[in-house]
Amino acid sequence: GENVEQHPSTLSVQEGDSAVIKCTYSDSASNYFPWYKQELGKGPQLIIDIRSNVGEKKDQRIAVTLNKTAKHFSLHITETQPEDSAVYFCAALGLSSASKIIFGSGTRLSIRP
Amino acid sequence: NAGVTQTPKFRVLKTGQSMTLLCAQDMNHEYMYWYRQDPGMGLRLIHYSVGEGTTAKGEVPDGYNVSRLKKQNFLLGLESAAPSQTSVYFCASSTQGAPNQPQHFGDGTRLSIL
Repeated sequence: GENVEQHPSTLSVQEGDSAVIKCTYSDSASNYFPWYKQELGKGPQLIIDIRSNVGEKKDQRIAVTLNKTAKHFSLHITETQPEDSAVYFCAALGLSSASKIIFGSGTRLSIRP
Repeated sequence: NAGVTQTPKFRVLKTGQSMTLLCAQDMNHEYMYWYRQDPGMGLRLIHYSVGEGTTAKGEVPDGYNVSRLKKQNFLLGLESAAPSQTSVYFCASSTQGAPNQPQHFGDGTRLSIL
């Protein structure tokens, strides 16, 4: 079935620096890749998503890139701020898994002041 | 806007007890989902529903049952709770056109089975 690998599991960056989280997926037919942010005690919230017909998408300090040939996609956060500290999940739409979203295992991002 | 509301927020059960987790959404979404979240394992789909009166199995359905009698509600049942079902449970919903549409999550139910 579909599998999504996410790295790193933890990431600590200095405030103001950039953070990059990477994911790979196994189903070459996947065509939808959302990213969710989960703050302590809350449910995940969508922060950005990308579809397979584009290679990059930006929303202010957040960007996602997609390489369909290599089957990997990445989240880039620039000019990190304390409020960016959270757990981030990537996901892929597994067309081979009856069209269910498959989540990565998460990255705990900490922003050092 | 309430969005997705889960009740209860916390619960402690003894092995063998039963309980029902309730999820309610006020966005008129067609699709609803139940996930469990365990440390280091991300979110795993338990069951889902593509509309009122329909349910389907996800990745880890054993030991759980669900019902979608009303479009706005999705219930998750544990008939005989086991310690392995200790987890945080999240409900989510998404609009028609899913699954390639964003999912909206509730804030979770933390369940401990002793």
